[in-house]
Amino acid sequence: NAGVMQNPRHLVRRRGQEARLRCSPVKGHSHVYWYRQLPEEGLKFMVYLQKENIIDESGMPKERFSAEFPKEGPSILRIQQVVRGDSAAYFCASSQGGGNQPQHFGDGTRLSIL
Amino acid sequence: DQQVKQNSPSLSVQEGRISILNCDYTNSMFDYFLWYKKYPAEGPTFLISISSIKDKNEDGRFTVFLNKSAKHLSLHIVPSQPGDSAVYFCAASRMDSNYQLIWGAGTKLIIKP
Repeated sequence: NAGVMQNPRHLVRRRGQEARLRCSPVKGHSHVYWYRQLPEEGLKFMVYLQKENIIDESGMPKERFSAEFPKEGPSILRIQQVVRGDSAAYFCASSQGGGNQPQHFGDGTRLSIL
Repeated sequence: DQQVKQNSPSLSVQEGRISILNCDYTNSMFDYFLWYKKYPAEGPTFLISISSIKDKNEDGRFTVFLNKSAKHLSLHIVPSQPGDSAVYFCAASRMDSNYQLIWGAGTKLIIKP
């Protein structure tokens, strides 16, 4: 399966812990996007990265959240000191180029905060 | 401020008939629109898109119509099949940040046998 791979599929954390979500894009795709979906809502853009660069992080909370897409390895969305409100589905997408290239999505990581 | 609205949370259609899913937007800067389909516990799958320079795009059973003056688009599926049962999301992007998709809340389509 050459699609976008996200892991883990489900992640449970206690308040105050750290959550690390991983995303391996489609082979050959160098553009990665992270979205968050709350129940009964659409996806909300968080951050757009190209290899080693953050292009737009305007949708990501300024505190506790960070994202990276290193030269080697998957993209990582990191949430420090998690709170109950961080419970959501986090989706990663990738595209071959930027702009209006269709974004291909992974199956998401469902984060639950106890 | 919801810039992309899907006002029907759910829609039920008989198998073989036409399904029409609607989407309204408020931002006149949007120039590219997409429809995604999502099954439970899976990521969204790209279906079809349309640029603002067109008013119709067709791909097999799926056709998207865009009415710029009304800021409205619709997805037609004909004939509807049981495998079409899913949540359908409308998304839009702007010329100046065309990677950033703005999503509607989705419409759950149920195809009845």
